[in-house]
Amino acid sequence: DGGITQSPKYLFRKEGQNVTLSCEQNLNHDAMYWYRQDPGQGLRLIYYSQIVNDFQKGDIAEGYSVSREKKESFPLTVTSAQKNPTAFYLCASSSGLAGFKETQYFGPGTRLLVL
Amino acid sequence: EDKVVQSPLSLVVHEGDTVTLNCSYEVTNFRSLLWYKQEKKAPTFLFMLTSSGIEKKSGRLSSILDKKELSSILNITATQTGDSAIYLCARPAHGSSNTGKLIFGQGTTLQVKP
Repeated sequence: DGGITQSPKYLFRKEGQNVTLSCEQNLNHDAMYWYRQDPGQGLRLIYYSQIVNDFQKGDIAEGYSVSREKKESFPLTVTSAQKNPTAFYLCASSSGLAGFKETQYFGPGTRLLVL
Repeated sequence: EDKVVQSPLSLVVHEGDTVTLNCSYEVTNFRSLLWYKQEKKAPTFLFMLTSSGIEKKSGRLSSILDKKELSSILNITATQTGDSAIYLCARPAHGSSNTGKLIFGQGTTLQVKP
């Protein structure tokens, strides 16, 4: 089955701790994206990557880091510098330029909670 | 400003009602507008609109774009409890011809009561 998987489903972070959210896709898509969703604020772009070994900051990149060493994988690390990390995190991918001829496909999300 | 605004932010209706959700954008350099439905987890794609005045339809859902008014509506007729979800509107970010970035609205939360 083709799709995007995210793990874990729920993640608890202690203060001062870095945590990593996993995102894997087997759709052979070049582009991958990380969004944060807070109640009443829609989706905000954290980082995106158009190709392996390359990524760019989105609108709210502070306190986050990513890597793109493999086409299928785009992990997101929430660092201790992110002071308000409690949110729902969504990973997406697209085969080309989303919104032109292609749409973005989303994973099931990871809910991050601070202890 | 590169912004997408949805209204209303939340809506409660009863089964069988018809609802109209609105999405407006502020940049005139237009490429497309996308609608997604988010039930509990992953948003799922509904429509991509590129041409003004042409309605796209899928079952009880339909959507149309008005480039003159910089807006789009999503209609749901004969609503069912399964239509309860957050409906998201998005468009490519200004200057995104080589990035694929999308700008999302705040979403409209629809609750359909039995």
